Amino acid sequence: AQTVTQSQPEMSVQEAETVTLSCTYDTSENNYYLFWYKQPPSRQMILVIRQEAYKQQNATENRFSVNFQKAAKSFSLKISDSQLGDTAMYFCAFMKRETSGSRLTFGEGTQLTVNP
Amino acid sequence: DTEVTQTPKHLVMGMTNKKSLKCEQHMGHRAMYWYKQKAKKPPELMFVYSYEKLSINESVPSRFSPECPNSSLLNLHLHALQPEDSALYLCASSQEVTRNTIYFGEGSWLTVV
Repeated sequence: AQTVTQSQPEMSVQEAETVTLSCTYDTSENNYYLFWYKQPPSRQMILVIRQEAYKQQNATENRFSVNFQKAAKSFSLKISDSQLGDTAMYFCAFMKRETSGSRLTFGEGTQLTVNP
Repeated sequence: DTEVTQTPKHLVMGMTNKKSLKCEQHMGHRAMYWYKQKAKKPPELMFVYSYEKLSINESVPSRFSPECPNSSLLNLHLHALQPEDSALYLCASSQEVTRNTIYFGEGSWLTVV
């Protein structure tokens, strides 16, 4: 079974600064996907970024980038130029490919607060 | 903006009521999901439909009954629920069950009284 660990229950950052959220996972799989989702107070789960395990290049999406260390099983999220709208719960998630259906295994989440 | 639409946004029901949550996606996806999320917890998978057929049931109690009328629609029928079933119910979809990214709707807040 896969496990995902987010060791920072809460973090805060000043507007316009950079913050990094940590995520580690445990799996024996070689082919899998990793995701960061954000869930603002509205509670909609929004995809932030996706990483395919076979790709060595770290994924980036505008101000969001990841540091994917496959051997260390680490998948951190860096948010640059933080904005007030980035305030949300951030979930790291693992998915392995299964024929019966894709299961997302989530970490417990990190509550990020961006302060003005 | 999400392309997975859920109705109603909020639902309050008694323990003897029968109600349904509805979900619709307009992305041509062939896999659809129901997740349950309690406060301050990550979502938990309940059901997966692939090509309109139930492919995963995560040992969910029978008082929750999913239905997939067609590839765009997913329902969750609720009957004889308990107060502990109060939660946010998230619908999601992906291109296929084996194809990576899952997109979520805004959720339906359910309160059982």
